[in-house]
Amino acid sequence: QKEVEQDPGPLSVPEGAIVSLNCTYSNSAFQYFMWYRQYSRKGPELLMYTYSSGNKEDGRFTAQVDKSSKYISLFIRDSQPSDSATYLCAMQLGAQKLVFGQGTRLTINP
Amino acid sequence: GAVVSQHPSRVICKSGTSVKIECRSLDFQATTMFWYRQFPKKSLMLMATSNEGSKATYEQGVEKDKFLINHASLTLSTLTVTSAHPEDSSFYICSARTSGGGNYNEQFFGPGTRLTVL
Repeated sequence: QKEVEQDPGPLSVPEGAIVSLNCTYSNSAFQYFMWYRQYSRKGPELLMYTYSSGNKEDGRFTAQVDKSSKYISLFIRDSQPSDSATYLCAMQLGAQKLVFGQGTRLTINP
Repeated sequence: GAVVSQHPSRVICKSGTSVKIECRSLDFQATTMFWYRQFPKKSLMLMATSNEGSKATYEQGVEKDKFLINHASLTLSTLTVTSAHPEDSSFYICSARTSGGGNYNEQFFGPGTRLTVL
C-alpha cells in the first residue's frame, strides 16, 4: 500500500463547476498537508498548506484535512480554464521529506 | 515567494556522456536541497536530499555513483548524471528550503530540466 493515494484521473469539468480533489494516506503521524499545482513541463507550485486537521480557504480554493479519516481534499470554486493542470497532494512529518500523491490531471473546459 | 532556478531547462545528449544540472536559490539561502525525478504523467520521485557542506542522502534504489550531487554553497546544488543512458531520460526537478528545524518549511521548486539521452 502506498503511503499516499490519489486518483490520477483525468478529470474533466465545465468552466464554473466546483472541483473536488482528494487524497488518502496511511501514516497517521503526518502533520503537514499540502496541495501543489503543476502545469505541463513546469515545476510544482504550492497552492495550499495546512497543519493538522481543519479547513483553510484562499480565494476560490479550500483545503480540508480530516486526520481521523486520513483524508484530505482540495475544492476549487468557480473553476477556470487556467486551473487546468495536474494537482498533487503532499504530506510531511516534521522536517522530513515530502511524500507526494500520484497527481490528478484536471481539465476545465470553456 | 522565493525563486529557484534550474539550468539548463532542456538538454539532449548522447549515450555514455555526463550531464550536469544546476539548481540555484536566487533570493534565499537554502540549507537543504532536494532532487526529484518525474516520468510522464507520474508523480515526483525523490532521488536525494542534500544539505550544504554535507554528503547527499540518497533514496533507496538510487545509484549514488550514477547521480552525483554536490551542494557546495547555500545557493547552489548540482546533479550530474554520469554515463547517461536512454533510460535516464526524464524530467529532473530540484527544490530548496531553508533550515528545517523541527517544523515545516516550504520547499520551493525549480522549473525542471528535461533530459533526453539518445
